[in-house]
Amino acid sequence: KNEVEQSPQNLTAQEGEFITINCSYSVGISALHWLQQHPGGGIVSLFMLSSGKKKHGRLIATINIQEKHSSLHITASHPRDSAVYICAVGVTGNQFYFGTGTSLTVIP
Amino acid sequence: KAGVTQTPRYLIKTRGQQVTLSCSPISGHRSVSWYQQTPGQGLQFLFEYFSETQRNKGNFPGRFSGRQFSNSRSEMNVSTLELGDSALYLCASSSKDRGYEQYFGPGTRLTVT
Repeated sequence: KNEVEQSPQNLTAQEGEFITINCSYSVGISALHWLQQHPGGGIVSLFMLSSGKKKHGRLIATINIQEKHSSLHITASHPRDSAVYICAVGVTGNQFYFGTGTSLTVIP
Repeated sequence: KAGVTQTPRYLIKTRGQQVTLSCSPISGHRSVSWYQQTPGQGLQFLFEYFSETQRNKGNFPGRFSGRQFSNSRSEMNVSTLELGDSALYLCASSSKDRGYEQYFGPGTRLTVT
């Protein structure tokens, strides 16, 4: 049983395209995190949200608590956005469940 | 502030050996969490330490253990290494006043032969 489901697993886009990555979860959460992992392993936290919507530059994250669903949008995608995007849900305290990740490739 | 640091960055061990990995959190962060990442299982939560106490634990065997020191630095230990323990081990630090947003270190790549 996977507590967190992400889709799609792989995504290839042309530079400039609008991208959406989806995350559904089945557990009660304290917060949902979107993470970015570049080749080489380094992970960066993009967003942490427990309701509504957040925006950083070209990235937008939304969450619907009732439907247990979150989306990560990238507007005007760029090759430097190529990375693996991981959805993580925080449950009791600081315990996390992770999605399997979405591997994004943006072609110039 | 300096980021989260992990040592060593790469490690090769033989089956049956044990290994200790180290993590230094961001200054002021009292929570340190450890994660294992493998191609097959993805990211999995190992455990979290807060103020020298294990606060949460994932579903890993007792061969995986950790501790935290009074300066919040943390170590994790894996005893009797198995081939399947080959993975990227990541630690992350966080603080309550930032809502426990995770700040990740670069990871330690462990290869068990």
